[in-house]
Amino acid sequence: GAVVSQHPSWVICKSGTSVKIECRSLDFQATTMFWYRQFPKQSLMLMATSNEGSKATYEQGVEKDKFLINHASLTLSTLTVTSAHPEDSSFYICSARDLGEGLGSPLHFGNGTRLTVT
Amino acid sequence: GQNIDQPTEMTATEGAIVQINCTYQTSGFNGLFWYQQHAGEAPTFLSYNVLDGLEEKGRFSSFLSRSKGYSYLLLKELQMKDSASYLCAVDSGAGSYQLTFGKGTKLSVIP
Repeated sequence: GAVVSQHPSWVICKSGTSVKIECRSLDFQATTMFWYRQFPKQSLMLMATSNEGSKATYEQGVEKDKFLINHASLTLSTLTVTSAHPEDSSFYICSARDLGEGLGSPLHFGNGTRLTVT
Repeated sequence: GQNIDQPTEMTATEGAIVQINCTYQTSGFNGLFWYQQHAGEAPTFLSYNVLDGLEEKGRFSSFLSRSKGYSYLLLKELQMKDSASYLCAVDSGAGSYQLTFGKGTKLSVIP
């Protein structure tokens, strides 16, 4: 089945620094990838939709200058958290659908990145 | 807007059957998904329904009624490892293939 790989699985950084998270579709091409954030005991919240070859679409309330998204190829999207602050500490998860699976193709998730900003 | 409701928490006994309900109101509908998420891990796909009726997959079954905007996930022969959050998600057909997730139901299986 389709596999989405996310790296790193966890990262600790100091306040004010930037962190890059990579998301790769390993055995399929993904023109669209989705970035979610999940705070403890809360649901997945869509942050942005990453589009290969064009600008990402951000959800309301998500700062595009703070969360930089680059979808450089059909298999790679990156999320950079710039000037991170403790309130950015969260679980970030990327996902993509393999449209080759046909109708009802599920979202396949990466294993997530737990970001802790000190 | 999109609205997906499911109970926040449920508790059930090992070996029993539990039903987790989900109601939705979305601008469009291209199918409903159920995911399982263990604490600190990413969600994993369980089932997909686009037509009315019951889909069975081993110990897990999922039901859909489009006219009622209603679905449920049925877990049989509960095991301790089934303790997790169960997420209901709808593909509203917005064009970008994104899913809208409910807040999840935390299921605790007790001995």
